[in-house]
Amino acid sequence: EDQVTQSPEALRLQEGESSSLNCSYTVSGLRGLFWYRQDPGKGPEFLFTLYSAGEEKEKERLKATLTKKESFLHITAPKPEDSATYLCALLDTGNQFYFGTGTSLTVIP
Amino acid sequence: DAGVTQSPTHLIKTRGQQVTLRCSPKSGHDTVSWYQQALGQGPQFIFQYYEEEERQRGNFPDRFSGHQFPNYSSELNVNALLLGDSALYLCASSSGTEWETQYFGPGTRLLVL
Repeated sequence: EDQVTQSPEALRLQEGESSSLNCSYTVSGLRGLFWYRQDPGKGPEFLFTLYSAGEEKEKERLKATLTKKESFLHITAPKPEDSATYLCALLDTGNQFYFGTGTSLTVIP
Repeated sequence: DAGVTQSPTHLIKTRGQQVTLRCSPKSGHDTVSWYQQALGQGPQFIFQYYEEEERQRGNFPDRFSGHQFPNYSSELNVNALLLGDSALYLCASSSGTEWETQYFGPGTRLLVL
């Protein structure tokens, strides 16, 4: 069965301390890999879609990359407002979506 | 431009009851998907509607059913509620041409007692 695993479960960073979140996956056929941000009590907010290994996308302090087995969300010089849960999801060739359980990021001023 | 809206925001039901949740998609979107998100977990795909038909379905029992109306809004119905159905129910909308890029609503928090 297709599966998404995110690590770490929780991450605490000092403001300005760059780091990466990991999303590893097993899939029979990948149509796309997605990153979302979710604030407490709210719905996920779309960040990026990646379609093939080697692809990269950037938005402000965030950069997402994709390999054949993993995706990384790199956060450069994070600010307290970047604190949230970051979710990774994949869409397989059977058009089924699978989400990971997320990484809870806290950025301390 | 209004985003995805859901109603109600919160709901309390008892075991065995039935519930209907509602979703209005983002303007210009014609595809609606529903997800269940238990506390501390990622969203789980329930089903997707396009052109008033169920296009895809996740691993959920038949107690979960849905409907899409001609204006693209959608309902999620859950019958014979169980305690384990307590969760945040999320609606996501997308455009038919880029249906895999989904925009989520704020969710409906359902508590089953």
